[in-house]
Amino acid sequence: KQEVTQIPAALSVPEGENLVLNCSFTDSAIYNLQWFRQDPGKGLTSLLLIQSSQREQTSGRLNASLDKSSGRSTLYIAASQPGDSATYLCAVDLAGNQFYFGTGTSLTVIP
Amino acid sequence: DVKVTQSSRYLVKRTGEKVFLECVQDMDHENMFWYRQDPGLGLRLIYFSYDVKMKEKGDIPEGYSVSREKKERFSLILESASTNQTSMYLCASNTGTGSFEQYFGPGTRLTVT
Repeated sequence: KQEVTQIPAALSVPEGENLVLNCSFTDSAIYNLQWFRQDPGKGLTSLLLIQSSQREQTSGRLNASLDKSSGRSTLYIAASQPGDSATYLCAVDLAGNQFYFGTGTSLTVIP
Repeated sequence: DVKVTQSSRYLVKRTGEKVFLECVQDMDHENMFWYRQDPGLGLRLIYFSYDVKMKEKGDIPEGYSVSREKKERFSLILESASTNQTSMYLCASNTGTGSFEQYFGPGTRLTVT
């Protein structure tokens, strides 16, 4: 069974710092990988989706990379802001309808 | 923009009650999902539907059933609510082709007392 791990579980950084969140998965036969943001008590908001044939995707200050062979993805956040404080989850998709989620990294950006 | 809505943001029910959670999506997506989210356990799939009246069990279907009578609507039913079903319930949908990007609703925080 696919296992998805996110380390660290929590991260605290000063405003303006660049940071990297990590996601690792055990089965490299994935269809795509998706990064989400979740604010407390809310649903998940899609940030970036990387298909298995892609190496990275960018949206504004966010950049996500995918290395299928090593079972790793990173989410890079540039020039962090207090509004970036949230929990970030990654999910791998095996077949378009089989999603496995990590338990997330809780990010706090200190003003 | 894709929109997934859930019928309630917060719900409090008593043990033994029958509970209905509803989810509606407006993008004509084929696939719809129900997850529950618990601290330390992450999101776990309860049921998945790939078409009207079609469903598949996820990882934790016990104590739950689902209904999909129309393409845009997917209901989760707790036949007899128990305290261990207190959780955040999240509905999601995606198209059955293309990127399979998942879109989530705002969640329903269910408390069973």
